[in-house]
Amino acid sequence: DAEITQSPRHKITETGRQVTLACHQTWNHNNMFWYRQDLGHGLRLIHYSYGVQDTNKGEVSDGYSVSRSNTEDLPLTLESAASSQTSVYFCASSEPGPNEQFFGPGTRLTVL
Amino acid sequence: QKEVEQDPGPLSVPEGAIVSLNCTYSNSAFQYFMWYRQYSRKGPELLMYTYSSGNKEDGRFTAQVDKSSKYISLFIRDSQPSDSATYLCAPYSGAGSYQLTFGKGTKLSVIP
Repeated sequence: DAEITQSPRHKITETGRQVTLACHQTWNHNNMFWYRQDLGHGLRLIHYSYGVQDTNKGEVSDGYSVSRSNTEDLPLTLESAASSQTSVYFCASSEPGPNEQFFGPGTRLTVL
Repeated sequence: QKEVEQDPGPLSVPEGAIVSLNCTYSNSAFQYFMWYRQYSRKGPELLMYTYSSGNKEDGRFTAQVDKSSKYISLFIRDSQPSDSATYLCAPYSGAGSYQLTFGKGTKLSVIP
């Protein structure tokens, strides 16, 4: 069965370190998204991609970057982790159009 | 004004009750109105969606959109403990943009 996976599921890191969160989908979807979810803020879009070599900034992109070298993967990099980036991160993918976004299980990141 | 407003609750109801969950939005370009359900420590999953104004029914769930007042509702009939989750509204404009704008989510508990 097709699926979307995220790794690691939990991560503790220190302020200033570079961190990369992996997202892999086997649906062959063109669209991929990264969100963060925080109490009081809901799901907020960080970056998104509509295909290979395409990346776009979302609502809360400062301090984050993504690259899309193939259809299946969209890794999210925190260049220099900050305590404000402690959050739960979700990756999602979809086909173009008003179609369902399929979400991964999430990565819980703690920055100390 | 935020694009999508949703009362975060929490909302607690007895089993069998009718539940009404609501969102308001400000962007007139929204054409599709999605409801996602998120169980604790899981990624969101699409529950149902409607296009433009009107009602859509799916089993015990009814989604209702009033574009004139920019008001979105989700009704749950005969609520069950398994309905206990966070419900997120996510309107979407279409027209080549595949980004969703999520409400903060309403946490629902159905008490046996």
